[in-house]
Amino acid sequence: NAGVTQTPKFRVLKTGQSMTLLCAQDMNHEYMYWYRQDPGMGLRLIHYSVGEGTTAKGEVPDGYNVSRLKKQNFLLGLESAAPSQTSVYFCASRESGGSYNEQFFGPGTRLTVL
Amino acid sequence: AQTVTQSQPEMSVQEAETVTLSCTYDTSENNYYLFWYKQPPSRQMILVIRQEAYKQQNATENRFSVNFQKAAKSFSLKISDSQLGDTAMYFCAFMRRIQGAQKLVFGQGTRLTINP
Repeated sequence: NAGVTQTPKFRVLKTGQSMTLLCAQDMNHEYMYWYRQDPGMGLRLIHYSVGEGTTAKGEVPDGYNVSRLKKQNFLLGLESAAPSQTSVYFCASRESGGSYNEQFFGPGTRLTVL
Repeated sequence: AQTVTQSQPEMSVQEAETVTLSCTYDTSENNYYLFWYKQPPSRQMILVIRQEAYKQQNATENRFSVNFQKAAKSFSLKISDSQLGDTAMYFCAFMRRIQGAQKLVFGQGTRLTINP
């Protein structure tokens, strides 16, 4: 049981390049989330998904796209990377149902855009 | 919109001392959850403790306890008998108590260093 994994762990891009971050979970969770963490700030929600085939915008969605084609995977895409997207990206997942279920976080991906 | 504020960017104490981290939040909601997360140098986000707003009793988890003041919208974390392994960033977070997406809103964090 690996929990939540993220690929890659580190990446350096040039301005204008594109890339996709992969989040995978093996806990059969319905909900998945993408956050970014900038220096001196807490995590901010980019996009989230409440189930396979569904996605929704979070607090800071501009410049990102997401897809949830399979229940266990949640992809975060940058079509044209900008230096402002330099950040650490975290994925999280949780069970559905009830008024609260703990979010389990992945180890993060450090992205640098030059 | 909810906001979470941590006014202490950094704190430092000696091993075995007690330390209290502060957090205030702003919301018009009545039913919600509050959390403290720990982020060690490994970057992994670890849930430390959770408080449900409708419960008057303060949550405790071993050496970790909270002081929840609902009227003042204050939620502080007390770490007793601090250990070197407690060195980390600590984030306060808020979540509305509803079914559905359950989105977390985080504070800016407090960097805690435990000195030997």
